[in-house]
Amino acid sequence: DGGITQSPKYLFRKEGQNVTLSCEQNLNHDAMYWYRQDPGQGLRLIYYSQIVNDFQKGDIAEGYSVSREKKESFPLTVTSAQKNPTAFYLCASSNNRGLIYEQYFGPGTRLTVT
Amino acid sequence: AQSVTQLDSHVSVSEGTPVLLRCNYSSSYSPSLFWYVQHPNKGLQLLLKYTSAATLVKGINGFEAEFKKSETSFHLTKPSAHMSDAAEYFCVVRGSPGGGADGLTFGKGTHLIIQP
Repeated sequence: DGGITQSPKYLFRKEGQNVTLSCEQNLNHDAMYWYRQDPGQGLRLIYYSQIVNDFQKGDIAEGYSVSREKKESFPLTVTSAQKNPTAFYLCASSNNRGLIYEQYFGPGTRLTVT
Repeated sequence: AQSVTQLDSHVSVSEGTPVLLRCNYSSSYSPSLFWYVQHPNKGLQLLLKYTSAATLVKGINGFEAEFKKSETSFHLTKPSAHMSDAAEYFCVVRGSPGGGADGLTFGKGTHLIIQP
């Protein structure tokens, strides 16, 4: 089955620790995205990558870092500099051909930092 | 610039009655519009998309949406609600043709509650 996998589903960390969220896709999509979701705020873009070895900051990149060494993988690191890291994190991918493509989403990782 | 407004943060309907989730958008370009559904602690699933081929778009699970340019609206409807429709629904607009962060803007979501 083609799709996007995110692991783990739930993640707990102590304040001050860095944590890396995994995102893998086997859809052969060029572009990948990380979003953060907080109650009542919709989705906010953290980082995106349109091609391997290249990525760009989204609207709320501070305190986060990413890498894109392989087409299939786009891990997100939540650093200790992120002031409010507890949230639901969603990874997405798309095949950026034409104007009518949609993004496909993974199941999400819920991060709780205490 | 583009924006999307979901007019209701919560909608409650009885099972078997019609559903209407409202979405208005603004865009400098001819937009692509999407509706996604999210069940609790899950990712987003595409319900339907408007791509200018037809103003009435049919999606999965009996949902449909009508693009009305004069009203800048893309409301989501379903004739008869089912308990499994209870979820969060997001209206999304792509106003700029590609480039940058994919040009997507998400609405804040509408929580659909189905009463038995």
